[in-house]
Amino acid sequence: DAMVIQNPRYQVTQFGKPVTLSCSQTLNHNVMYWYQQKSSQAPKLLFHYYDKDFNNEADTPDNFQSRRPNTSFCFLDIRSPGLGDAAMYLCATKRRVGQGNEKLFFGSGTQLSVL
Amino acid sequence: QKEVEQDPGPLSVPEGAIVSLNCTYSNSAFQYFMWYRQYSRKGPELLMYTYSSGNKEDGRFTAQVDKSSKYISLFIRDSQPSDSATYLCAMSSRGSNDYKLSFGAGTTVTVRA
Repeated sequence: DAMVIQNPRYQVTQFGKPVTLSCSQTLNHNVMYWYQQKSSQAPKLLFHYYDKDFNNEADTPDNFQSRRPNTSFCFLDIRSPGLGDAAMYLCATKRRVGQGNEKLFFGSGTQLSVL
Repeated sequence: QKEVEQDPGPLSVPEGAIVSLNCTYSNSAFQYFMWYRQYSRKGPELLMYTYSSGNKEDGRFTAQVDKSSKYISLFIRDSQPSDSATYLCAMSSRGSNDYKLSFGAGTTVTVRA
């Protein structure tokens, strides 16, 4: 059963039209991440939440915002998508699986296309 | 210079061959080393996890870490068509409460039946 669920799997939007991607988890993990992954590139961390504390990466554009209304849900808002924002967006959660042993659980991602 | 460099591939091997994947890194603070497998249009899933230097074996998979050379490897023995995927190395430093991973760009592997 999927534990980190991302919707939709595919999203098409128009240049400049706001879009929201969603992520939900059934794991009750307190840390949630959003990554951007472009073709043949490493996933790039955009931001993460530790509980309700929001942590933005220094190089994440202001165009990207996030909301976490509760433990289970997290949203990625792209206020004015540009062509360069077309990518796979991955949500992940974290739990500790042993002493010093952390594990990230990823969702299946949302593939965003910008026309 | 990127913090993590991964052999770009792609790799195409016949079924049953040994697959060798490699990453180098520049941050000597990295203590935790991971390999993720990512199937097409799916999110990454954790395959192997190693702390500090040494080898770790799990079935057909062996992970090696050489901290002195800042070099990690993943070997897949008796490769199967189901192993066809992109493999991402990832690493992080000790004591990072928010556990920020640094990923390689991935190597795409195709195992031919």
